[in-house]
Amino acid sequence: AQSVSQHNHHVILSEAASLELGCNYSYGGTVNLFWYVQYPGQHLQLLLKYFSGDPLVKGIKGFEAEFIKSKFSFNLRKPSVQWSDTAEYFCAVNATNTGFQKLVFGTGTRLLVSP
Amino acid sequence: EPEVTQTPSHQVTQMGQEVILRCVPISNHLYFYWYRQILGQKVEFLVSFYNNEISEKSEIFDDQFSVERPDGSNFTLKIRSTKLEDSAMYFCASSDRQGASAKNIQYFGAGTRLSVL
Repeated sequence: AQSVSQHNHHVILSEAASLELGCNYSYGGTVNLFWYVQYPGQHLQLLLKYFSGDPLVKGIKGFEAEFIKSKFSFNLRKPSVQWSDTAEYFCAVNATNTGFQKLVFGTGTRLLVSP
Repeated sequence: EPEVTQTPSHQVTQMGQEVILRCVPISNHLYFYWYRQILGQKVEFLVSFYNNEISEKSEIFDDQFSVERPDGSNFTLKIRSTKLEDSAMYFCASSDRQGASAKNIQYFGAGTRLSVL
């Protein structure tokens, strides 16, 4: 069965600090990988995705993530965070070899950026 | 950007009562999902729905749960007799494609917080 681990449950940073949120998954086959963000009171919004090709993917709002297949990882990064990045971040995967593609999520990381 | 909308944002109910959570998926989407997140735990898949039938469900989705697309725009999740442990945030999602080679992106609503007392 697939599983996703996010190592940091709460992260507190000052504005302009760099961010890296860890995500590791457990699945032997080919996967699609996602990072979603949820701002307070809003819907889960897709931040970025990896399907195939260049393992370094860029998303919205200056975020990027790198897929390292050998490490089963898909870490999220941003060089300089802003107060408006305060939100909860979810890593998710789905398997590409099944017809019905449920998402398997990590526990989420709550990021607080202080001004 | 089109959005998935969910109502209500917060539902409080007594144990044993029936609740219906409502979702309006993005209009041209054909695949629909429910997920839930118990406080402090992971977002968990409940069920997927396509062509008016369940395509996949998790072990959480027992006989107390049902889904329906009653009118071509709404997608509902019914819990027949709520239990305390059903208290959670319930997320609806939709996508326009699915399948082994599809680049399936699921778009989520803001969620309904269900509190069972």
